[in-house]
Amino acid sequence: QMQMVESGGGVVQPGRSLRLSCTASGFTFENYGMHWVRQAPGKGLEWVAVVGFDGSSIHYADSVKGRFTISRDNSKKTLYVQMNSLRVEDTAVYHCVRDAYRGGRNTMDVWGQGTTVIVSS
Amino acid sequence: DIQMTQSPSTLSASVGDRVTITCRASQSISTWLAWYQQKPGKAPKLLIYQASTLEGGVPSRFSGSGSGTDFTLTISGLQPDDFATYYCQQYNAYWTFGQGTKVEIK
Repeated sequence: QMQMVESGGGVVQPGRSLRLSCTASGFTFENYGMHWVRQAPGKGLEWVAVVGFDGSSIHYADSVKGRFTISRDNSKKTLYVQMNSLRVEDTAVYHCVRDAYRGGRNTMDVWGQGTTVIVSS
Repeated sequence: DIQMTQSPSTLSASVGDRVTITCRASQSISTWLAWYQQKPGKAPKLLIYQASTLEGGVPSRFSGSGSGTDFTLTISGLQPDDFATYYCQQYNAYWTFGQGTKVEIK
């Protein structure tokens, strides 16, 4: 059974840092690109960042560029996001999501349940 | 950036109804559109990709159509398990989601 389990969320003050992790199982992690997608309370979904299967291709949403760093360790089947200079508007549930090649482009298929980040003073 | 606009934001329907949700892109995305279903406290589930292709295991009462900028998700014969929030997503240029459509019990 394919599964991703996120961890590392919590309450943090504005300007501080937090690192989220996502451990995958049930599929060959090193064969897939991976995303972080977030959902603010009562809001919709926002793509945050993507990393290629081997870590060589990385892209960020403008809202987090320069503050967040996505990375992965294939030997540990784990995805990370280092979040620095956190803002109140970064408050959200952060989902780890598997990249999916569908019909010629890449979307997303398997989602983790998410970990909650609250940025508040 | 490509913006995605869904309508309606909320839809009230009864079991057995035919339900249609609309998604509009701010520029042409060909057929690079996916639909997701999300239930409260759960992770989103991929239903449809490339505008009209059903993901494996998704019931055939779900269907998608459209190309360019205008897309629809149709549920033919709404079932109790279908009451949820639905999101469209473009994957033509990076990834952007619509704001969601909540399908609630009438």
